[in-house]
Amino acid sequence: LAKTTQPISMDSYEGQEVNITCSHNNIATNDYITWYQQFPSQGPRFIIQGYKTKVTNEVASLFIPADRKSSTLSLPRVSLSDTAVYYCLVVAGGTSYGKLTFGQGTILTVHP
Amino acid sequence: EPEVTQTPSHQVTQMGQEVILRCVPISNHLYFYWYRQILGQKVEFLVSFYNNEISEKSEIFDDQFSVERPDGSNFTLKIRSTKLEDSAMYFCASNLQGAREAFFGQGTRLTVV
Repeated sequence: LAKTTQPISMDSYEGQEVNITCSHNNIATNDYITWYQQFPSQGPRFIIQGYKTKVTNEVASLFIPADRKSSTLSLPRVSLSDTAVYYCLVVAGGTSYGKLTFGQGTILTVHP
Repeated sequence: EPEVTQTPSHQVTQMGQEVILRCVPISNHLYFYWYRQILGQKVEFLVSFYNNEISEKSEIFDDQFSVERPDGSNFTLKIRSTKLEDSAMYFCASNLQGAREAFFGQGTRLTVV
């Protein structure tokens, strides 16, 4: 599976939009890009998944350029409760989507 | 909203003892997983389970570990002869076939003393 690289940490303020970029240069044709969120002492929680272009749900948007070598998770108007670790993962399509390879993630800290 | 339930939330055991971590996956899910996260480190895949057998396991999942689905609702992880380095959060997860997301439980914090 393609290795992912994302910033170790980011800081933001309440009400701002946060964009976390992840690079996955060796992504394969049947791979999907998936983001999970993890609060301290809790299990990871699925945020969003995409293959290309843009995906939006009630929580976030995911932007994937045509070459798919990177992706950007966009969190609109963050609040203090969005402080968490955000993981970018590449998941092979056609699988159960549950065998996940986590990296270190990005620690997002939202300040008042 | 349905959720994956894990018990106990915290387990303390002596080195060399056996522990069983329990999970109740979401009822109509077919794929089950165990992950662990050592304090301050990344979440690591241990094993996946489908159709009553292990479908994939990592190098971490050696003979010390075993999984079982003893009935229609529970999914367990047994760790034999625990070591200090087995201390970690253990997460159970489940999902539907072809579903995009895996649902994780709240975890069991295992402390080996």
